Amino acid sequence: GAVVSQHPSRVICKSGTSVKIECRSLDFQATTMFWYRQFPKQSLMLMATSNEGSKATYEQGVEKDKFLINHASLTLSTLTVTSAHPEDSSFYICSATPGTGDNQPQHFGDGTRLSIL
Amino acid sequence: LAKTTQPISMDSYEGQEVNITCSHNNIATNDYITWYQQFPSQGPRFIIQGYKTKVTNEVASLFIPADRKSSTLSLPRVSLSDTAVYYCLVGDTRGGGFKTIFGAGTRLFVKA
Repeated sequence: GAVVSQHPSRVICKSGTSVKIECRSLDFQATTMFWYRQFPKQSLMLMATSNEGSKATYEQGVEKDKFLINHASLTLSTLTVTSAHPEDSSFYICSATPGTGDNQPQHFGDGTRLSIL
Repeated sequence: LAKTTQPISMDSYEGQEVNITCSHNNIATNDYITWYQQFPSQGPRFIIQGYKTKVTNEVASLFIPADRKSSTLSLPRVSLSDTAVYYCLVGDTRGGGFKTIFGAGTRLFVKA
């Protein structure tokens, strides 16, 4: 149980394109999901907290107009990288926690490799 | 949020037991300790979680001393496929929405 799915797994596109990444909790509902970015050989960096039915909370230094987050249902959050440029190339990972009880660990998707040419 | 400190890297050989220690001096009363494993180009995978003393599951053990200022992940008889980055995280997991801040992690390399 507690499976988180991301789509697509890999995206290659031209500079200036907007790219949408989906994060779904397949067998549980999640009022909160998280989005991370990971550069090669580095740790995961939290970008934002996605809240169902309300605005996302962004970490310091993350541009909210650049990285649009929508959490329209209890099983889906989307991250849109707007007008992507080569420096946005990275590995994007989402996570969610089943909110059915205490002490539930986060479950992560398998990530989306974004390459901007 | 409690900060964690782990060794940057560790080497081991197949069949050996590997112990990775994480320091979290500022752990709060409601914080749990969770360990994840990450392979290249994959999301982190949950290994084990605990609050105090010892927790064991089918893949690992987690030892937490009484003061909870550190924890040790123990991997019995590692194999080549255990080569990965291991992350220790602490936080209040009550009710979901646990904001996770990753440290640098420990890069474990298992040799034949």
